[in-house]
Amino acid sequence: GAVVSQHPSWVICKSGTSVKIECRSLDFQATTMFWYRQFPKQSLMLMATSNEGSKATYEQGVEKDKFLINHASLTLSTLTVTSAHPEDSSFYICSVSPGQGAGGTGELFFGEGSRLTVL
Amino acid sequence: GQNIDQPTEMTATEGAIVQINCTYQTSGFNGLFWYQQHAGEAPTFLSYNVLDGLEEKGRFSSFLSRSKGYSYLLLKELQMKDSASYLCAVMDSNYQLIWGAGTKLIIKP
Repeated sequence: GAVVSQHPSWVICKSGTSVKIECRSLDFQATTMFWYRQFPKQSLMLMATSNEGSKATYEQGVEKDKFLINHASLTLSTLTVTSAHPEDSSFYICSVSPGQGAGGTGELFFGEGSRLTVL
Repeated sequence: GQNIDQPTEMTATEGAIVQINCTYQTSGFNGLFWYQQHAGEAPTFLSYNVLDGLEEKGRFSSFLSRSKGYSYLLLKELQMKDSASYLCAVMDSNYQLIWGAGTKLIIKP
């Protein structure tokens, strides 16, 4: 069964609006979750690392005020794309790793992904 | 800098064997992963190698040579459903995943 659940799968919104994407860890408590973005025919690009109970760590070039991440519990992280614009249209994927760090394989389990289209 | 190289696209015939290569240069090494990604879907885990050698799992095998910074994914008895992108990723010394751009595999009847 699914280890990670992501919602919504598809979202279409008007330019200037905000969109929230949820990522739930179903099988284990995840102190860390990862948010990726993938443009067509390109590989995954890590946007930020979501840390439960503390601020997210953003990768260089990712605007933290535009991509708000909240990791309020051990099973839920949310990504909010604020004031979305057409260039934000992409495939957003969250992932969790039950064995992150020394001693674990670091295997990532991915959510189903959320395809955002901004008109 | 850190770099993962893999071919952009490969074509193979149904029932045949194909090998997808991956070379890497990273800051440290804590394992190499192969993921399969069908168009419009999230990646799914295929294999993990941390020691040199061949790991076999059904029709798929993955090989690693740490001294050469090289891995390959071997797919046997190809099926049409194997048409997908195959992503190579290396975990560096900080346990961060460095992703390759992926290899699009096209299977022809």
